[in-house]
Amino acid sequence: AQSVTQLDSQVPVFEEAPVELRCNYSSSVSVYLFWYVQYPNQGLQLLLKYLSGSTLVKGINGFEAEFNKSQTSFHLRKPSVHISDTAEYFCAVRGINDYKLSFGAGTTVTVRA
Amino acid sequence: GAVVSQHPSRVICKSGTSVKIECRSLDFQATTMFWYRQFPKKSLMLMATSNEGSKATYEQGVEKDKFLINHASLTLSTLTVTSAHPEDSSFYICSVLGQNSNQPQHFGDGTRLSIL
Repeated sequence: AQSVTQLDSQVPVFEEAPVELRCNYSSSVSVYLFWYVQYPNQGLQLLLKYLSGSTLVKGINGFEAEFNKSQTSFHLRKPSVHISDTAEYFCAVRGINDYKLSFGAGTTVTVRA
Repeated sequence: GAVVSQHPSRVICKSGTSVKIECRSLDFQATTMFWYRQFPKKSLMLMATSNEGSKATYEQGVEKDKFLINHASLTLSTLTVTSAHPEDSSFYICSVLGQNSNQPQHFGDGTRLSIL
């Protein structure tokens, strides 16, 4: 089984500032890692995923994440946020031979002008 | 474009009624779909895995007689909340497993269920 810890429950940030959302995971097997974004009253939209290969993954809307196997982390970053990035962000993991996703508790990002 | 269509987006009904939520895979045939429940300001809780042509697999603590799942075709899974009560009010989200084993889940837009 896998578990995910998102270290920050809320992250306030000013517009055009950088943001980093931290995610650590625990697993006894190799994993795939994902970041999803959820806007109010909507489902989840995939931002990016790590399957294999390069540990730096680029996603949509200017987001990127870096997989660090030794630290079992998959932190999400964006160099300059917009008001429209205000949303809930979920880190998720699943074993490579499993179908079920394990989600973190979520991080609420609030971007202020 | 959307990969998953979930309907309805919002439903309000009286206590004791049954409510059906549909989840459709638009782009490909999906043998596996998932149903999640999300409480306010909380993460997603997996309720069950819906398998086409067979019984759904429920997570521990989820009442299968309360939350009926039917996956009768490769593009449609339904969740029926039977005899709904106010405590069943929640945000329900379905997802579709990608065609290949290393593909992500694609999520519907969710259904806001409010039981009066």
